Amino acid sequence: AQSVTQLGSHVSVSEGALVLLRCNYSSSVPPYLFWYVQYPNQGLQLLLKYTSAATLVKGINGFEAEFKKSETSFHLTKPSAHMSDAAEYFCAVSPGSNYQLIWGAGTKLIIKP
Amino acid sequence: DVKVTQSSRYLVKRTGEKVFLECVQDMDHENMFWYRQDPGLGLRLIYFSYDVKMKEKGDIPEGYSVSREKKERFSLILESASTNQTSMYLCAGGGGQSRGEQFFGPGTRLTVL
Repeated sequence: AQSVTQLGSHVSVSEGALVLLRCNYSSSVPPYLFWYVQYPNQGLQLLLKYTSAATLVKGINGFEAEFKKSETSFHLTKPSAHMSDAAEYFCAVSPGSNYQLIWGAGTKLIIKP
Repeated sequence: DVKVTQSSRYLVKRTGEKVFLECVQDMDHENMFWYRQDPGLGLRLIYFSYDVKMKEKGDIPEGYSVSREKKERFSLILESASTNQTSMYLCAGGGGQSRGEQFFGPGTRLTVL
C-alpha cells in the first residue's frame, strides 16, 4: 500500500533558523506531491505542489521543496523561520488514480523566540 | 478565488441526534471529500464522491453517510451522533484538472455531548 511518512510529529526551531520538514513517500508510479499548511482552527491551505515539472518547487510564504525521486523524498524548507510559520504541515501524494490523496500524519512546527 | 464553504464553524449536538454537515464548492470539481481530523491521527477520509449521486467509502465510514444530489453540494450525515464523533470535520473539493490538488473548507468543529 502506498504511504507517506513525515518524520517528527513536532519540530521546534528558533526564529530566523532554517526550517526543514521531512516527507518520504512510497509510490509505484510517478506521483504528484503536495505540502499543505493548517493554522489553528482553520482548514488546510496549499503551500506548494510538484506535478512533474521542475524538481525544485517554490511555494507561498518563502517555502520550497525538492522532489528527489531516488530518495522518494519531498522535504519542505524555509531559510529563515518566522513566528507566523507556527502551524501544522501536511505532506500528501496523489498516485494518479481517482485523485484521492494519501496523507502524512502531519508535523507541528513550533517557533521559539 | 476558489471557495469551499461549510455550513457551520462550530456545532454542539447531543448524543443520539441526527447531524447534517453541509459543504458547498463553487469550482465545478467532480470530486468532493469528507475528512475528520483528530490530534495525533492526522486526516482520515470518511467518504468521497466522484460524481453526482456517486459515493465511495473512505477509511472510516462507520457511523456516517453522505449525500450528493448536486455537483456543488456534498453533505455528511451522522445518523445518531455519539461522543466519539466529536472531532474537526473538513470538506474538500478537487478534480482531475487539478491533478489531485484539493481545496479545503474552513472546517466544522463538532462537539457531541
